[in-house]
Amino acid sequence: AQSVAQPEDQVNVAEGNPLTVKCTYSVSGNPYLFWYVQYPNRGLQFLLKYITGDNLVKGSYGFEAEFNKSQTSFHLKKPSALVSDSALYFCAVRDSGAGSYQLTFGKGTKLSVIP
Amino acid sequence: NAGVTQTPKFRVLKTGQSMTLLCAQDMNHEYMYWYRQDPGMGLRLIHYSVGEGTTAKGEVPDGYNVSRLKKQNFLLGLESAAPSQTSVYFCASSYERVEEETQYFGPGTRLLVL
Repeated sequence: AQSVAQPEDQVNVAEGNPLTVKCTYSVSGNPYLFWYVQYPNRGLQFLLKYITGDNLVKGSYGFEAEFNKSQTSFHLKKPSALVSDSALYFCAVRDSGAGSYQLTFGKGTKLSVIP
Repeated sequence: NAGVTQTPKFRVLKTGQSMTLLCAQDMNHEYMYWYRQDPGMGLRLIHYSVGEGTTAKGEVPDGYNVSRLKKQNFLLGLESAAPSQTSVYFCASSYERVEEETQYFGPGTRLLVL
């Protein structure tokens, strides 16, 4: 079975400071990992993904994430937070070896960037 | 290019009523999905389809049925609505190639079952 955990319901950060949103996963095979963002009253938007290759993945809006196989983590990071980054962030995983097309999403982390 | 669209945007039902939610995509995606989003629960997969004429159960399929008669459309049906089905429903679609495994989401349908 595949699962993903986002240990923080909410993260508060001051504008201009670096931000980190944490994600850990569990799969039996190799993971495909994703970050999505949801703004109020909107659908989810894709930010970035790790399928294979370089462990540091760069995505939209200056976000990046690092795949760490030994720690089974895929934390989302940004060097300098903007107020407009305030949103709900979801980590998702799919087990590449499970023969399934299903993504499992975390429960989400609300990011608030304080001016 | 509208992407993924959902109809309706909002609906109120009484317990026992039925309805169909429509999802349409114009990106020629093979895969389509229906999720529900509830506070503190993240997104949970209801049903999905890997091609026209095929459907499969997700994590929470009970009380829902789906059909994919045309490649661009994916319908979600509630035969007898229950208050537990009050939620925000999202449709998504994606290509079949793993390198393109990004899901594109619709704007959502808010459903209230009284």
